[in-house]
Amino acid sequence: RKEVEQDPGPFNVPEGATVAFNCTYSNSASQSFFWYRQDCRKEPKLLMSVYSSGNEDGRFTAQLNRASQYISLLIRDSKLSDSATYLCAVNRADSGYALNFGKGTSLLVTP
Amino acid sequence: SQTIHQWPATLVQPVGSPLSLECTVEGTSNPNLYWYRQAAGRGLQLLFYSVGIGQISSEVPQNLSASRPQDRQFILSSKKLLLSDSGFYLCAWGWADGGEKLFFGSGTQLSVL
Repeated sequence: RKEVEQDPGPFNVPEGATVAFNCTYSNSASQSFFWYRQDCRKEPKLLMSVYSSGNEDGRFTAQLNRASQYISLLIRDSKLSDSATYLCAVNRADSGYALNFGKGTSLLVTP
Repeated sequence: SQTIHQWPATLVQPVGSPLSLECTVEGTSNPNLYWYRQAAGRGLQLLFYSVGIGQISSEVPQNLSASRPQDRQFILSSKKLLLSDSGFYLCAWGWADGGEKLFFGSGTQLSVL
């Protein structure tokens, strides 16, 4: 089983739609979780951290389910500028606190 | 504020040639430093990490090596590049106490021909 798994998509949605991405992780000892956004040929940029109680940042909501070992990202009222690849990341306490990344989910928001 | 610099942005190298990619961090001390590679259609693969000067840990066996000659400088090297070394190389830093997010440099797109 891969350490972090995501549905690769692509997700094609119209502007204004709500879209949700899921991510599962294998290490139950993981403590820190993040969503990154990566534009084509660019570096990943932190979108938001994921907290146990769930957290929201504008149109973006992240949730963590430790029992089922999955993380979700909800984007409401999608904008054209949301088109990107979204990477789920989980920390590794055994490797200098590196992050394990999923392969990413591609989102295309269309007019 | 902290910034991370990585260069060059793109590189085209022949098979068998050497490689040196450099990364520097500003605005923080004793960061954890990382090299990742993203091959076409694949996820981010951790190559090396460092928790201090001269301390390098390798994640996967390969013909690459890393060095940390100064606190905020991280270098990725190869003596002889392989075709399979092509990819998007990303340097990243994180806080020394761990458990937090990583911040990435702008990356180097390496094509080995």
